[in-house]
Amino acid sequence: DGGITQSPKYLFRKEGQNVTLSCEQNLNHDAMYWYRQDPGQGLRLIYYSQIVNDFQKGDIAEGYSVSREKKESFPLTVTSAQKNPTAFYLCASSTQGAGEQYFGPGTRLTVT
Amino acid sequence: GIQVEQSPPDLILQEGANSTLRCNFSDSVNNLQWFHQNPWGQLINLFYIPSGTKQNGRLSATTVATERYSLLYISSSQTTDSGVYFCAVEASGGSYIPTFGRGTSLIVHP
Repeated sequence: DGGITQSPKYLFRKEGQNVTLSCEQNLNHDAMYWYRQDPGQGLRLIYYSQIVNDFQKGDIAEGYSVSREKKESFPLTVTSAQKNPTAFYLCASSTQGAGEQYFGPGTRLTVT
Repeated sequence: GIQVEQSPPDLILQEGANSTLRCNFSDSVNNLQWFHQNPWGQLINLFYIPSGTKQNGRLSATTVATERYSLLYISSSQTTDSGVYFCAVEASGGSYIPTFGRGTSLIVHP
C-alpha cells in the first residue's frame, strides 16, 4: 500500500543527545514536510523540501536539521540545541506545487 | 503571510446532532484542505477543496474562494467523529507551503 511511514512511534532521550526521526514515503511525491505539534496546539512547520537535495527552513527551524538525499526519505534530526524538544512530530508529503498533502502517523518524542 | 482562522475553537455535541465548522482565510488561495486528527494523533484527509462543494458520506464541505471561507458540515455525528478538525490553505503566489488554522476540537458524547 502507498503511504508515509514514521519511526519510531515513541522515542525517549536524555537531554543533550541528538536524535533522528525517520520519514519514508512511497507515494512518489516530490515535496516533503516536517511539522511540530505541542499539546492543544496547531501544526508548526519546521523544514520542507520541494525536491531532492534541496530544503528550506520553516517557521521554527532552530535546533533542527534535515537531509533529502533520496526522494523517498526526509529524516529530521533534533539536536541538543533545541531548547524544548518534547513534542509530537509529523511528517507529510505532497506532489510538487499546490498538491494534496498526506501525513504520516507521527512520532512522540520525550526528552528528559 | 496568509491568516487562517477556524471557529468555533471547541464544540461539544450529543451523538446524532449536526454541526458546521468554519475556516476563514485572509487572502486568495490555490488550495484548501480539511483534516481530522484522531485521538491517536493521525491526520486524516477529509477534503481537498479549493472551491465548490464536495460530499463524502455524512461529511460535506463548501469553499467560497471569492469570499475567503470554507465550511465543513458533519451530519448525524458519531462518537468516532471526536477529535480536532484542521483547515489548511495554500496561498496564491507560489509559496506551495500550507498554512494551518488552530483547529476546532470536537467532542461527541454518546
